[in-house]
Amino acid sequence: EAGVVQSPRYKIIEKKQPVAFWCNPISGHNTLYWYRQNLGQGPELLIRYENEEAVDDSQLPKDRFSAERLKGVDSTLKIQPAELGDSAVYLCASSLIETGGGQETQYFGPGTRLLVL
Amino acid sequence: AQSVTQLGSHVSVSEGALVLLRCNYSSSVPPYLFWYVQYPNQGLQLLLKYTSAATLVKGINGFEAEFKKSETSFHLTKPSAHMSDAAEYFCAVSEITGNQFYFGTGTSLTVIP
Repeated sequence: EAGVVQSPRYKIIEKKQPVAFWCNPISGHNTLYWYRQNLGQGPELLIRYENEEAVDDSQLPKDRFSAERLKGVDSTLKIQPAELGDSAVYLCASSLIETGGGQETQYFGPGTRLLVL
Repeated sequence: AQSVTQLGSHVSVSEGALVLLRCNYSSSVPPYLFWYVQYPNQGLQLLLKYTSAATLVKGINGFEAEFKKSETSFHLTKPSAHMSDAAEYFCAVSEITGNQFYFGTGTSLTVIP
């Protein structure tokens, strides 16, 4: 079974430029997460989708960050314009949350390493 | 909100020695608890998880963790370290209601030959 796929793996851009990350979750997983991981830190949730609905985007800097999950499968995370402080690894994860079920394991992709110059 | 504390950002052990990575959580209600491992330039991989069943949880690669409610701890152990265990380890907690994870800051494990 294919895991969570992310692209690109690495991205270097100049500040004020836009950038986009793409994530393809594990087939059948209805919940998708975007995390940001700064160097030496644990991942921090940016946004969580259940199917195509964003159910938790409280930590997403909405002035410059946006995300979408059309059709409830693939997702794109965009930053426009990028700032120096956005340099980090952006991780995508997916899980299958069943109605009335308990906590399900999140499966992570390899991440996109962003460097803003 | 939950919080997770991992004591020791760097741990070094000799090959063959016991591995002990510490994790404490803050919650009055026992949450779900997870340990993930992250190898360089890779995503996080689940080692094991506690979801209110047995308090001693066995995971992959010989790792295990014990949930201790009285200590609000979920320490990760392995009897004998292998060179391939060198990686970053993250403890995570999730409330029973809701599906948000809270990660610790991670512990970098170095295995000395």
